[in-house]
Amino acid sequence: EAGVAQSPRYKIIEKRQSVAFWCNPISGHATLYWYQQILGQGPKLLIQFQNNGVVDDSQLPKDRFSAERLKGVDSTLKIQPAKLEDSAVYLCASSSSGASSGNTIYFGEGSWLTVV
Amino acid sequence: AQSVTQPDIHITVSEGASLELRCNYSYGATPYLFWYVQSPGQGLQLLLKYFSGDTLVQGIKGFEAEFKRSQSSFNLRKPSVHWSDAAEYFCAVVNDRGSTLGRLYFGRGTQLTVWP
Repeated sequence: EAGVAQSPRYKIIEKRQSVAFWCNPISGHATLYWYQQILGQGPKLLIQFQNNGVVDDSQLPKDRFSAERLKGVDSTLKIQPAKLEDSAVYLCASSSSGASSGNTIYFGEGSWLTVV
Repeated sequence: AQSVTQPDIHITVSEGASLELRCNYSYGATPYLFWYVQSPGQGLQLLLKYFSGDTLVQGIKGFEAEFKRSQSSFNLRKPSVHWSDAAEYFCAVVNDRGSTLGRLYFGRGTQLTVWP
């Protein structure tokens, strides 16, 4: 079974530029998550989708971050304009349903962003 | 509010020695609890999880964890560490148990170094 796929794996951009990350979850998984992991910290949830609807984006900096999952399958996370403090690993994850249902959340390998 | 505390930022052990990584949580009811491992440049891999029942949970790679409600703890253990266990370990808890959603809260992680 294929895992969670993410691209690009690495990206270096200048501040104020834009960047987009793509994620393809495990086939059939209805729930998709984007996490931000800053160096030395645990992952922090940015946004959670259930199929193509947003169920939790309370931690997403909406002035610069956006995410979509138009057809309820793959997803894109965009940052525009980027700031230095956005340097982090962006982890995509998926599960068959929400975490509270007791389902395991599977993580991709992450997209490493460096803003200079 | 939910929180996860991993009091040890960095632990060093000799290969073959026993290991215990500490995790304390703050949650009003019985939570879902997880341990994930992250090797350098990799995503998060699930080691084990606790939902209910037997408080001693067995996971992959020879790891186990024990849920102690009285201490609000979910410590990870391994009787004999291998050099390949060097990685960062994250404890996580799910809130909103019983609802259809729920967010996975992570601790800050414990970096494990293994001496040969």
